[in-house]
Amino acid sequence: DQQVKQNSPSLSVQEGRISILNCDYTNSMFDYFLWYKKYPAEGPTFLISISSIKDKNEDGRFTVFLNKSAKHLSLHIVPSQPGDSAVYFCAASDRGTGGGADGLTFGKGTHLIIQP
Amino acid sequence: DAMVIQNPRYQVTQFGKPVTLSCSQTLNHNVMYWYQQKSSQAPKLLFHYYDKDFNNEADTPDNFQSRRPNTSFCFLDIRSPGLGDAAMYLCATRQGAVEKLFFGSGTQLSVL
Repeated sequence: DQQVKQNSPSLSVQEGRISILNCDYTNSMFDYFLWYKKYPAEGPTFLISISSIKDKNEDGRFTVFLNKSAKHLSLHIVPSQPGDSAVYFCAASDRGTGGGADGLTFGKGTHLIIQP
Repeated sequence: DAMVIQNPRYQVTQFGKPVTLSCSQTLNHNVMYWYQQKSSQAPKLLFHYYDKDFNNEADTPDNFQSRRPNTSFCFLDIRSPGLGDAAMYLCATRQGAVEKLFFGSGTQLSVL
């Protein structure tokens, strides 16, 4: 059963507008969340992260919001640019809570397409 | 630039013929991971090394083995590849308590 879910396989947004990518999780032991960006034929690259003690983290055009009670996080990209077109993976870790697992648990990804 | 390097980028093998994928890193990170990613699926953790300590995920098939001869290198051996093993294989590293993983570009494995 998937512990990290990205329910939108793809999202199309106009250049200059806001892109909102969503992620839900089921494991309450997750205490750290990351977003990765992946271009075709390349490995994922780290974008932004958030600890469970926070509800928001911002880095330039990228903001991640965490709602622990809803087990939901979202990535906002404002304004969206053509170079943002990529697959975005949500990932979670439970190492800090002693969940016993190492490595990150990933969602299936959302393919973001920025239209000119 | 410090990085994670995977070779080859593309690997074609025959059904049942052993194949080895390699990963090297110049980051000097103590943890190395192997993930398998099939098309439109989430990357799935196969195993990882914490220094020299090998940790296998419970559902990783016995067909998959790994070696880490030193800090810089890690290998993924598939003893008898099946058609279902065709996937992108991603190597990643991490250091200490930092959560962020650094990924290589991956090796796309095809099984004929």
